[in-house]
Amino acid sequence: DAGVIQSPRHEVTEMGQEVTLRCKPISGHNSLFWYRQTMMRGLELLIYFNNNVPIDDSGMPEDRFSAKMPNASFSTLKIQPSEPRDSAVYFCASRAGGQPQHFGDGTRLSIL
Amino acid sequence: SQQGEEDPQALSIQEGENATMNCSYKTSINNLQWYRQNSGRGLVHLILIRSNEREKHSGRLRVTLDTSKKSSSLLITASRAADTASYFCATALIGTNAGKSTFGDGTTLTVKP
Repeated sequence: DAGVIQSPRHEVTEMGQEVTLRCKPISGHNSLFWYRQTMMRGLELLIYFNNNVPIDDSGMPEDRFSAKMPNASFSTLKIQPSEPRDSAVYFCASRAGGQPQHFGDGTRLSIL
Repeated sequence: SQQGEEDPQALSIQEGENATMNCSYKTSINNLQWYRQNSGRGLVHLILIRSNEREKHSGRLRVTLDTSKKSSSLLITASRAADTASYFCATALIGTNAGKSTFGDGTTLTVKP
């Protein structure tokens, strides 16, 4: 079991640039979650998918953020255009049925 | 505000001592989970306790749940330096689609060797 795989692990880019974060969930898991973690706001749920369908995106900060899950083994979170306040660690997690979530090791994003 | 709130925010103990962390929540839940996060890593699930359970054990971990007080506690016995991490509670609310969980702000535990 390779676990949840996120890429890149670190991203440093200038404000205004498009940022794409990627996640490969654990095979067989049918739910996928995107979180953002900062010192100020803690761990925030941005969006989650069930069977590749977005169920709740109420945590997505604004229209600059978008997430897709084209198939059961891949999801992306895009920020366009990026701003310095988007700097955070972004986590992807997956789960099967009513089981606990499995987290990736995150993408540390810095927007200059 | 967060559904789950941990207390204390930070805890520092000596190796061998017990560590107790508390979590309070506001609305009725389906279950409550505890996670650990080591620096620079993702969260790792420790234990899940359902709303009809009062206590659960896993190795050196003991979790209690008091639904009348809307609170839970995590006890780590005979702590080790490797237990140094942040600990989060997460609640799965009744009626929430697909078991969405809401995380608290965490307790940072430091175990000194």
